[in-house]
Amino acid sequence: DTGVSQDPRHKITKRGQNVTFRCDPISEHNRLYWYRQTLGQGPEFLTYFQNEAQLEKSRLLSDRFSAERPKGSFSTLEIQRTEQGDSAMYLCASSATSGRFYEQYFGPGTRLTVT
Amino acid sequence: AQSVSQHNHHVILSEAASLELGCNYSYGGTVNLFWYVQYPGQHLQLLLKYFSGDPLVKGIKGFEAEFIKSKFSFNLRKPSVQWSDTAEYFCAGLKGAGSYQLTFGKGTKLSVIP
Repeated sequence: DTGVSQDPRHKITKRGQNVTFRCDPISEHNRLYWYRQTLGQGPEFLTYFQNEAQLEKSRLLSDRFSAERPKGSFSTLEIQRTEQGDSAMYLCASSATSGRFYEQYFGPGTRLTVT
Repeated sequence: AQSVSQHNHHVILSEAASLELGCNYSYGGTVNLFWYVQYPGQHLQLLLKYFSGDPLVKGIKGFEAEFIKSKFSFNLRKPSVQWSDTAEYFCAGLKGAGSYQLTFGKGTKLSVIP
């Protein structure tokens, strides 16, 4: 498999701007996850999709954040009106729905810097 | 609230030393636990996992972990570290049955000195 890919790898934006990140999961994986990681912390769960359905959302996902997976393949995470506190690494992961379905495979992440 | 805690922020070892990284969890009920590793400049990779059965689980690259229910612990071990094991190690757990929301510890940075 080609692994989970994320784009862009780095994003620098000014406070108040909107940003959108893309995640392409491993092709046969139906589940897709978004996490956020800040310096000195482990990843924190944001949201999870099974196919195109968004099944879990963390309270960390404020109304400025929205995630979609319209065709059950790639996913986008949009942050509106960015704030400096949004600066973090945004990680995407995917997993299968059978067999090793609890194993989440992570992408390289998108590092967001809000100035 | 369910949580995962790692005892050590930064561990420095010489090559060939033995390694044990602590991890404690606070879940009740079904427990699914993982160790992930992040090598410098690379993405998170799964080292090993525990779902049920034998409490001693073996992973890649000579790592193993022991699930001790009475101590709520899932410590990672390796008998002899190499310089290439320099990385950050994260313990993680699943929130509960039917959930796929991983909860991570803060991570332990391991530096191995040649």
